[in-house]
Amino acid sequence: DTGVSQNPRHKITKRGQNVTFRCDPISEHNRLYWYRQTLGQGPEFLTYFQNEAQLEKSRLLSDRFSAERPKGSFSTLEIQRTEQGDSAMYLCASSTQGQGTEAFFGQGTRLTVV
Amino acid sequence: GENVEQHPSTLSVQEGDSAVIKCTYSDSASNYFPWYKQELGKGPQLIIDIRSNVGEKKDQRIAVTLNKTAKHFSLHITETQPEDSAVYFCAASLAGNQFYFGTGTSLTVIP
Repeated sequence: DTGVSQNPRHKITKRGQNVTFRCDPISEHNRLYWYRQTLGQGPEFLTYFQNEAQLEKSRLLSDRFSAERPKGSFSTLEIQRTEQGDSAMYLCASSTQGQGTEAFFGQGTRLTVV
Repeated sequence: GENVEQHPSTLSVQEGDSAVIKCTYSDSASNYFPWYKQELGKGPQLIIDIRSNVGEKKDQRIAVTLNKTAKHFSLHITETQPEDSAVYFCAASLAGNQFYFGTGTSLTVIP
């Protein structure tokens, strides 16, 4: 399968713990996006990378959230000191650079903070 | 920033009938409009898209129309089948820098 891969698929953590998610994009895609989706809502933009550069961050991305893409390939999203409000589906997508290029999503990581 | 509104939030149709979902956007600079289908517990799947230099695009039973002047675009599904049942999201983007999504339409096709 050469699509976008996210791990883990599910994560249950206690409030206050740190969690890290991984995203492996489609190999030739240089853009990588992180989105958050809560039940009944559309995906909300968090941040995106072009190669290893983080080009834009949403105000939703508080200082407890950090994302990296060190070699321009896979990316990690870390949430520190998790809160119950962080419970959501975290989606990763990738695309090639340019106007109107298709973005393909992974299956997401479902985070539950208890 | 961009604001995308989507209607209706739920839609039920009989198998074989057509379904139409409508979206409006606020930023006239947006130039790319994809549609995604999302099944329970899965990530969104791109089903069709349209760019601002095109007014209509069709792929088998699915079509999308774009009216740049009115800043709205629509998804049309003809000859609906039970497997079309899912949540559909529209999105708007400027050069793929980020995608702004609508709130989704839950489509149910009744056999």
